[in-house]
Amino acid sequence: GENVEQHPSTLSVQEGDSAVIKCTYSDSASNYFPWYKQELGKRPQLIIDIRSNVGEKKDQRIAVTLNKTAKHFSLHITETQPEDSAVYFCAASTGGGNNRLAFGKGNQVVVIP
Amino acid sequence: DAGVIQSPRHEVTEMGQEVTLRCKPISGHDYLFWYRQTMMRGLELLIYFNNNVPIDDSGMPEDRFSAKMPNASFSTLKIQPSEPRDSAVYFCASGRGTDTQYFGPGTRLTVL
Repeated sequence: GENVEQHPSTLSVQEGDSAVIKCTYSDSASNYFPWYKQELGKRPQLIIDIRSNVGEKKDQRIAVTLNKTAKHFSLHITETQPEDSAVYFCAASTGGGNNRLAFGKGNQVVVIP
Repeated sequence: DAGVIQSPRHEVTEMGQEVTLRCKPISGHDYLFWYRQTMMRGLELLIYFNNNVPIDDSGMPEDRFSAKMPNASFSTLKIQPSEPRDSAVYFCASGRGTDTQYFGPGTRLTVL
């Protein structure tokens, strides 16, 4: 089955700097890649997603890039703010009627004021 | 539109007791997922349903765990008998086709 790995496990950044989290996946048939943000004690919430027919997607301060050849995708957060501090999960899905997501272990992002 | 609803939000029980967690998916979603989250294992998929039919229960840890979806608007996850190692946050999520999964607020289970 699909195996998703995230790096680094913990990332500390100064407020205003950029943060980048990278995920790799194993199944070349995967075609849907969402990112979830989970604040302490709360549910995972979708923040951005990308499908395999697109190389990059941006929504205000966050963006996701996809490299299908290398089988990795990355989350970019610019102008980080304290409220960006959370655990971020990447996931991959092969779709095709199988809506199962394989999640990475999560990255703890700490934004230092 | 209401999101995914889970109950109870917190459950404290003693080892050996039966625990039933409940979930109401978003109306119109045809997929329902049960996850378990712990610090050690992260987010684990336990089972998922498509149109009320269980598709993959390979993540269910033991026979003590069972899940049902009697109709499109309700699902249960039951643990009988419960053990301390079952303590975790259990999330229900729903989705439509190959679209995004939306998570419920979770049930924090503590087994003493």
